[in-house]
Amino acid sequence: KNEVEQSPQNLTAQEGEFITINCSYSVGISALHWLQQHPGGGIVSLFMLSSGKKKHGRLIATINIQEKHSSLHITASHPRDSAVYICAVGMNYGGSQGNLIFGKGTKLSVKP
Amino acid sequence: GAGVSQSPRYKVAKRGQDVALRCDPISGHVSLFWYQQALGQGPEFLTYFQNEAQLDKSGLPSDRFFAERPEGSVSTLKIQRTQQEDSAVYLCASSLERGRASGANVLTFGAGSRLTVL
Repeated sequence: KNEVEQSPQNLTAQEGEFITINCSYSVGISALHWLQQHPGGGIVSLFMLSSGKKKHGRLIATINIQEKHSSLHITASHPRDSAVYICAVGMNYGGSQGNLIFGKGTKLSVKP
Repeated sequence: GAGVSQSPRYKVAKRGQDVALRCDPISGHVSLFWYQQALGQGPEFLTYFQNEAQLDKSGLPSDRFFAERPEGSVSTLKIQRTQQEDSAVYLCASSLERGRASGANVLTFGAGSRLTVL
């Protein structure tokens, strides 16, 4: 079983729809990251959170530590939101390791 | 520069050739990470530097892979005797912070180096 599971794997939406991408993990974490990857490989960090909820523009990220679950929401989706969204968790152990464990990503396509 | 710079962006190598991939992190960033991303998969950890010290190389898939960061800034990932299974995008990321909860540090990623081994 993968330590970080994302759903759905692929998502097609119409412009303006509310979108939710889910991430579940099975390990103790120091933080959870939501990343956006556009074609061509560039990755942008959207959020890093360890509790509660964060909002930036039309993006909202929530995390429930007890349930080991996080969601990324996009309100009023737009074709420019089309990308792969990746959930990654930072391991909760006390070394100096910088290991992140990544999910396989959710490919989002927003149609005009 | 303002971001993490990687070069080359694209590299085609013949099987058996050695390749070197460069990462120029944001100036002053202490932590540097290399990841390997196969087609359709999420990135997987290769190795981690804190300044010039390679603190974790547990993700390097074989002894053909070698990484260095001799002066604590630019890093090079070297792959010797490349194989077809080495074909992937190699991502570099850096972070200002150091310390035990490295997983809680905000990372800035480079655009990646896409390696194709024929």
